[in-house]
Amino acid sequence: AQTVTQSQPEMSVQEAETVTLSCTYDTSESDYYLFWYKQPPSRQMILVIRQEAYKQQNATENRFSVNFQKAAKSFSLKISDSQLGDAAMYFCAYRRHFNFGNEKLTFGTGTRLTIIP
Amino acid sequence: SQTIHQWPATLVQPVGSPLSLECTVEGTSNPNLYWYRQAAGRGLQLLFYSVGIGQISSEVPQNLSASRPQDRQFILSSKKLLLSDSGFYLCAWTGNGPNTEAFFGQGTRLTVV
Repeated sequence: AQTVTQSQPEMSVQEAETVTLSCTYDTSESDYYLFWYKQPPSRQMILVIRQEAYKQQNATENRFSVNFQKAAKSFSLKISDSQLGDAAMYFCAYRRHFNFGNEKLTFGTGTRLTIIP
Repeated sequence: SQTIHQWPATLVQPVGSPLSLECTVEGTSNPNLYWYRQAAGRGLQLLFYSVGIGQISSEVPQNLSASRPQDRQFILSSKKLLLSDSGFYLCAWTGNGPNTEAFFGQGTRLTVV
């Protein structure tokens, strides 16, 4: 069974600095998708970034980028130039490639990120 | 565009009472549907998912059940609530194919008293 592990329950970073959130996962599949979701105090889940496992290039979305290490089954999120609005709970998630049945979406336990002004 | 509706937003129910939470999706067909529970300050626990009408997969044995009577309707139920059922419940959907993003409802905060 696929599992997603986030070993950092809480992280904090000074405003304008860079922070990296860790995520590891366990799967026997070779093709899959990985996601980072953000849950602000409003509790609305917002997609931050996604990565297809078959792509070697790390995904980037403005100040957000990932370090995808497929062999190590690691998928970390880097937030550059941290802003107060980045304060939220961040969840890592895994999903099999749609060719193999894409019905199950598994989340990690989350990392609460605090931004220090 | 696709939207997802989840209601009610908040619910306070006594122990032993029944539960029905509803989720509907608009603007897409044959979505994969999910129910998650989030305990206070905790992660998302997958409760049920469904790939089609009447097809329900259960992840966690408990006194909750789910049903999918229509293609875009997903219902979470209980016959008798427990205190431990309190939490924040999220409905989500994903499409079939390369567009793999999950879209979430606004959530239901359930307090069992």
